[in-house]
Amino acid sequence: ELKVEQNPLFLSMQEGKNYTIYCNYSTTSDRLYWYRQDPGKSLESLFVLLSNGAVKQEGRLMASLDTKARLSTLHITAAVHDLSATYFCAVLLSGGGADGLTFGKGTHLIIQP
Amino acid sequence: KAGVTQTPRYLIKTRGQQVTLSCSPISGHRSVSWYQQTPGQGLQFLFEYFSETQRNKGNFPGRFSGRQFSNSRSEMNVSTLELGDSALYLCASSPYLEGGRGETQYFGPGTRLLVL
Repeated sequence: ELKVEQNPLFLSMQEGKNYTIYCNYSTTSDRLYWYRQDPGKSLESLFVLLSNGAVKQEGRLMASLDTKARLSTLHITAAVHDLSATYFCAVLLSGGGADGLTFGKGTHLIIQP
Repeated sequence: KAGVTQTPRYLIKTRGQQVTLSCSPISGHRSVSWYQQTPGQGLQFLFEYFSETQRNKGNFPGRFSGRQFSNSRSEMNVSTLELGDSALYLCASSPYLEGGRGETQYFGPGTRLLVL
């Protein structure tokens, strides 16, 4: 059974600081997704990481994937209040996602002025 | 392109009733997946439909069912509702089965179901 663990689950940080959210998964996969969810809203796709060593950046967010370590990171640079949200990583099993996307529990991020 | 749409957005039902939720995928997308989101269990996969066939199913009881029509629109049905079925039900669409070419899944706004 695929397990996806995110940490931390809650993070309060100040504007201007840097921080990293970690996503570990238990079974081989070469597809990892990051989503953002604002309160009461749906999921917004941030990144799709498809291969070992993949790195993608959008604004102050950068995501990377290490398939050998079964680890993805979401790095926040010089955080701003607008980035406050819950961030989910999700993994699709290699060779066919019989269980669909398996999500982590999410990291609830609060960025304070 | 219009995004994924779901109807209704909010629904209140009582225990024992049944409910049908609807999802219209992005035009051209053939895969529709359903997820349940609750504070306790988080986001859990219900099922995926592709070309009118259920291709994958999560670990949910048989009270949860779905179907997909020839225009790729999908419905999910929950029979004999229980209090624990209260959740946000999200529909997601993508062009290919199981994210076949690494495409992301695009999520709809969700249907918030409250069972009393």
